[in-house]
Parts: sequence; structure tokens; C-alpha cells
Amino acid sequence: GAVVSQHPSRVICKSGTSVKIECRSLDFQATTMFWYRQFPKQSLMLMATSNEGSKATYEQGVEKDKFLINHASLTLSTLTVTSAHPEDSSFYICSAIPVGTDTQYFGPGTRLTVL
Amino acid sequence: QKEVEQNSGPLSVPEGAIASLNCTYSDRGSQSFFWYRQYSGKSPELIMSIYSNGDKEDGRFTAQLNKASQYVSLLIRDSQPSDSATYLCAVGPGTYKYIFGTGTRLKVLA
Repeated sequence: GAVVSQHPSRVICKSGTSVKIECRSLDFQATTMFWYRQFPKQSLMLMATSNEGSKATYEQGVEKDKFLINHASLTLSTLTVTSAHPEDSSFYICSAIPVGTDTQYFGPGTRLTVL
Repeated sequence: QKEVEQNSGPLSVPEGAIASLNCTYSDRGSQSFFWYRQYSGKSPELIMSIYSNGDKEDGRFTAQLNKASQYVSLLIRDSQPSDSATYLCAVGPGTYKYIFGTGTRLKVLA
């Protein structure tokens, strides 16, 4: 149980394009999902907290107009990286908390490379 | 600033030994404590959670919590080379939100 999927697992795009990453909880409902970014050999960095049906809460220093988050249902949150640049290349990981619990379960991550 | 601190390591232990990973936290309001394992290039996976003072065992893993000392640890018995990974301590939500430590890199030597 408590499986989280992400799609795509890997994406390469050109500078200036937008990329959408999906995060789905497959066997549970999640009112809260989180989006993290991780650069090589560095720790997890929380980007934003996504709550179903409301606007995401972004961490300090994360541009909300660049990283658009939508949590349209209890099983799906999306992160759109708009006008991506090479410095946005990173490993993006989502996590979800099953309703009624406080445990985060992580998706497998999406590796974004911007050329 | 609420913090979770871990020794970055690497912590090297021989195969079959007990690995002891430690974590301290600053938010006394924290209610939940988690250990995750992260292999290189992969996302974190949950090992176990602990909520009450004392020990909690799950297979080869034992989590220990001491709220008075604001200290949580993870023991891995009979360490295997496949246990070599980075171990993340997470605390939350308490009076703040979930906070992850930077992780301890464990190397189990065959």
C-alpha cells in the first residue's frame, strides 16, 4: 500500500519550454502533497506544499510563477516548470500523505534536464 | 529556525555489524519521527515511524526516541552491503512542519 507514482520519470527539454510533472497517489487519497527538488549530492529541498482544492504554499525563494502547482483531486498534483532554463535541471520528487495519517510517502522522482 | 541535525558521515561499518544513526531536533512540539533510506539517484523510501518514547523494532531496524533529550536514532542490525545508502531523519509536523535532516551516508563494507 501507499504507492505514489510520478510521470515522466525522465524528461529532456529545450531552454524556454514548459514541462509538466504529474504526481499520483495510486492506492490512497491525499489532501496534502509536497514537492521537493534535489541537486546531486545535496539534501532534499522543499519547494511547496500542495493542498487539494486550494493554492499551494511555496517556500521562501521558490518562484510561484515559475513553478506552477495544481492539486486538482485527492490523488493528483502537478508541477509545471515554466520557461525552463538549464539551472532548473534537477531531480524533482513529490510526496503524499494519506488522509488520516501523518506519514509522507515519496514518488520515484522525475529527473529534468534542460538543454 | 527549527532544525533537524544529522552527522553527514560517511559512517563505515563492517558487514554483519550494528550501524547506529543519530538525529537531534530542536522543535519540542514535534509529534512524529520518521526514518527514510535514500539510495543514490533514487527517491527516499520509508523505513519506519516512531511516535512514543522508547524503542520500536521492525525486522533488522530499531528506532529509538527520547523526547526529553530531543533525540531519535536508528539501529540497523546485521548490516549488509545493500544497506549502504543515505539515511534521512524527518520530524513533524509539531508546531512547525515536516523537517528533514541532511542525511547520514552509511557504507557497509563487505
